[in-house]
Amino acid sequence: KQEVTQIPAALSVPEGENLVLNCSFTDSAIYNLQWFRQDPGKGLTSLLLIQSSQREQTSGRLNASLDKSSGRSTLYIAASQPGDSATYLCAVNTGFQKLVFGTGTRLLVSP
Amino acid sequence: DAGVTQSPTHLIKTRGQHVTLRCSPISGHKSVSWYQQVLGQGPQFIFQYYEKEERGRGNFPDRFSARQFPNYSSELNVNALLLGDSALYLCASSPLPDREEQYFGPGTRLTVT
Repeated sequence: KQEVTQIPAALSVPEGENLVLNCSFTDSAIYNLQWFRQDPGKGLTSLLLIQSSQREQTSGRLNASLDKSSGRSTLYIAASQPGDSATYLCAVNTGFQKLVFGTGTRLLVSP
Repeated sequence: DAGVTQSPTHLIKTRGQHVTLRCSPISGHKSVSWYQQVLGQGPQFIFQYYEKEERGRGNFPDRFSARQFPNYSSELNVNALLLGDSALYLCASSPLPDREEQYFGPGTRLTVT
């Protein structure tokens, strides 16, 4: 059974810091990995998708890496801003669009 | 372009009742998936539908059912509601049934009293 773990569960940083969020999964048989952002009480916003054959993806200040063999992904956020405050979720696609999610990292960026 | 839309936004039901939640995918998307997110946890996969057929099912009881219509919209039905069904129900769409980026709607907040 695929299990996804995210560390840390919560993170508080001052504005401007670079930070790394970690995601690990137990079964390397995945099709892709997706990072999402969720604001309180809201739906999920897709940030980055990494296919299983890829090593990393970048979008603006965000960079995500994938090491499928070791079951790890990281989301790097450069020059954090208060608007980045949200819960970040990673999810692995195990087939037929079934996403298995971690419990998320709650990020607070202080001005 | 409109994103994934869901209705209603909020819903309050009593134990034992039935509920129907609705989802309209992004135009051109033929795959719809449903997820349940209990407070403080990550979403849990319930169903995936593609071309009106069920392609995947998560570990949920038979009280949960869904269907997809010819216009690719979908509805999720839950019978005999329990207090534990209180959650945010999320719908996601993608163009194809596999290996695709998924786009989520704003969700329906269901409260069972």
